[in-house]
Amino acid sequence: KQEVTQIPAALSVPEGENLVLNCSFTDSAIYNLQWFRQDPGKGLTSLLLIQSSQREQTSGRLNASLDKSSGRSTLYIAASQPGDSATYLCAVRFNSGNTPLVFGKGTRLSVIA
Amino acid sequence: DTGVSQDPRHKITKRGQNVTFRCDPISEHNRLYWYRQTLGQGPEFLTYFQNEAQLEKSRLLSDRFSAERPKGSFSTLEIQRTEQGDSAMYLCASSPSAGEQFFGPGTRLTVL
Repeated sequence: KQEVTQIPAALSVPEGENLVLNCSFTDSAIYNLQWFRQDPGKGLTSLLLIQSSQREQTSGRLNASLDKSSGRSTLYIAASQPGDSATYLCAVRFNSGNTPLVFGKGTRLSVIA
Repeated sequence: DTGVSQDPRHKITKRGQNVTFRCDPISEHNRLYWYRQTLGQGPEFLTYFQNEAQLEKSRLLSDRFSAERPKGSFSTLEIQRTEQGDSAMYLCASSPSAGEQFFGPGTRLTVL
């Protein structure tokens, strides 16, 4: 079964700290991987999309990496701010572009001022 | 606003009633997806359309659920004879083919 796991489930850090969120997946045959942010009771905001041929993507203070051989992706957040507090979801499209996203359960991040 | 929109944002219904949700995708996106999310979980795939064709349905989509995308534009998701277990956030997303998916704000369903 193709699964996505995110550890830890929750993380609390002081403002200004750099942090890494982890995502692992069970099958290295992926098409692409997407990181999302979700605020409580809201929809998902796309942060970064990494195609299977790419190793990393950057947007502002965010950097996502992809290692297919080990079945891992990381989301690096630099100089965290209280406004970064949210749940971060990793989602993988396995095999081909015609399959749906498979989501992890997310990491709930709290950045303390 | 050129993002994905969903209507209604909240729906409270009694068990056994039928409900219908609407999703308007980003206009140039040919793919439209429906997901369901319960508290503390990631979204789970329900079904998706490419233009007006429904290409895949999850095992989660029981025969009480039906989705349509007439003319390949907006989509509706109907749940018949709602049950308390149907209470969840229903999320719609759209994408250009197999590209990046963009999500709407969701419809929160509460079945009493």
